[in-house]
Amino acid sequence: EPEVTQTPSHQVTQMGQEVILRCVPISNHLYFYWYRQILGQKVEFLVSFYNNEISEKSEIFDDQFSVERPDGSNFTLKIRSTKLEDSAMYFCASGGLAGVETQYFGPGTRLLVL
Amino acid sequence: AQSVAQPEDQVNVAEGNPLTVKCTYSVSGNPYLFWYVQYPNRGLQFLLKYITGDNLVKGSYGFEAEFNKSQTSFHLKKPSALVSDSALYFCAVRADQTGANNLFFGTGTRLTVIP
Repeated sequence: EPEVTQTPSHQVTQMGQEVILRCVPISNHLYFYWYRQILGQKVEFLVSFYNNEISEKSEIFDDQFSVERPDGSNFTLKIRSTKLEDSAMYFCASGGLAGVETQYFGPGTRLLVL
Repeated sequence: AQSVAQPEDQVNVAEGNPLTVKCTYSVSGNPYLFWYVQYPNRGLQFLLKYITGDNLVKGSYGFEAEFNKSQTSFHLKKPSALVSDSALYFCAVRADQTGANNLFFGTGTRLTVIP
């Protein structure tokens, strides 16, 4: 069964450094998402991406964040200058043709900013 | 604005007994409702969803959920709990609006099934 994959599984970085989190969505999906989950809190939406552009973003997704689909398979989230409060589990998800389709989540990348 | 409430942080149930994990929602327009399960150090696994049609939806691993529009609820149920069902369960909603595909999650309910 196809699944969403994410790399790395864990990343530790120093405050102010740039990080890139990578995702490979399910191959025939057209909608891509990033969510995050701060330890002990609920999963929060960051951004959605469709047709090579951002379709929605939350207030969390400020100028420090960017997303890209550099080729036909990868979907990346970049944090330009990490802050302590960026420490969280970051989940990538992908969905099918329409918004009613189920979003399938990857295993997550645990980011720790020191 | 859309939101989801899971009123119980923790639910304990004995193995073999029926389980219920509660969820209520608030959304403008028709809701699309989802349940996901998260095992330790794992991602979110899709269990089931309600889009339209029959109010009782059946999902993976014997779980089902009932959509109740008047009570704005979407409680997750299983007739007979297994120890392996112990995990963190999230209810999520999105609105029936063009361009609004993102999910709003509840805070999660930790289910513990006691042998």
